[in-house]
Amino acid sequence: NAGVTQTPKFQVLKTGQSMTLQCAQDMNHEYMSWYRQDPGMGLRLIHYSVGAGITDQGEVPNGYNVSRSTTEDFPLRLLSAAPSQTSVYFCASRVTGEGNTIYFGEGSWLTVV
Amino acid sequence: AQKVTQAQTEISVVEKEDVTLDCVYETRDTTYYLFWYKQPPSGELVFLIRRNSFDEQNEISGRYSWNFQKSTSSFNFTITASQVVDSAVYFCALDNFNKFYFGSGTKLNVKP
Repeated sequence: NAGVTQTPKFQVLKTGQSMTLQCAQDMNHEYMSWYRQDPGMGLRLIHYSVGAGITDQGEVPNGYNVSRSTTEDFPLRLLSAAPSQTSVYFCASRVTGEGNTIYFGEGSWLTVV
Repeated sequence: AQKVTQAQTEISVVEKEDVTLDCVYETRDTTYYLFWYKQPPSGELVFLIRRNSFDEQNEISGRYSWNFQKSTSSFNFTITASQVVDSAVYFCALDNFNKFYFGSGTKLNVKP
């Protein structure tokens, strides 16, 4: 059971470039989400989805796009990368419903120069 | 507004000492869930415990224990007889509907 899989693990981008962070889960979870982790700030929610075709914004959505065409996949797109988007990104999933344990991927380290 | 505060940025202890990590939360909801996660130096996030707002019983799991006090909006985490392997960043989080609110984390250093 792979759980939540994120790719790539490490990426360096130039300012203005675009890229997609991939996230896939094999647990048939309806709920998926993306977080960024910055020093001293914990994890902050970027976007989330409660099922295929449904997405919504979290605390820090600006500069990021998401889509959910299948239950398994939830890619995060940076359309024009900025140095402020240098961070560690975590994808997570869980069975829909408040209180259910959320499972995280291993993280993606992104540097924008 | 939802908010989680972990006032202790970093704590250093010597192995076998007991240590308590503080977590204070804010929410107007009557139903909510609280979590603790561990992030070891390797970077992954490991689930430790979940507690709902209606269950104020303290919980013990081996060397770990949790004290939930609704009256003070706190959900503190104690490690008894700490070990070097406990060195990590620990996050407290509030689950509100479809959004998780994390504290800024407490880095625990356990020295041999």
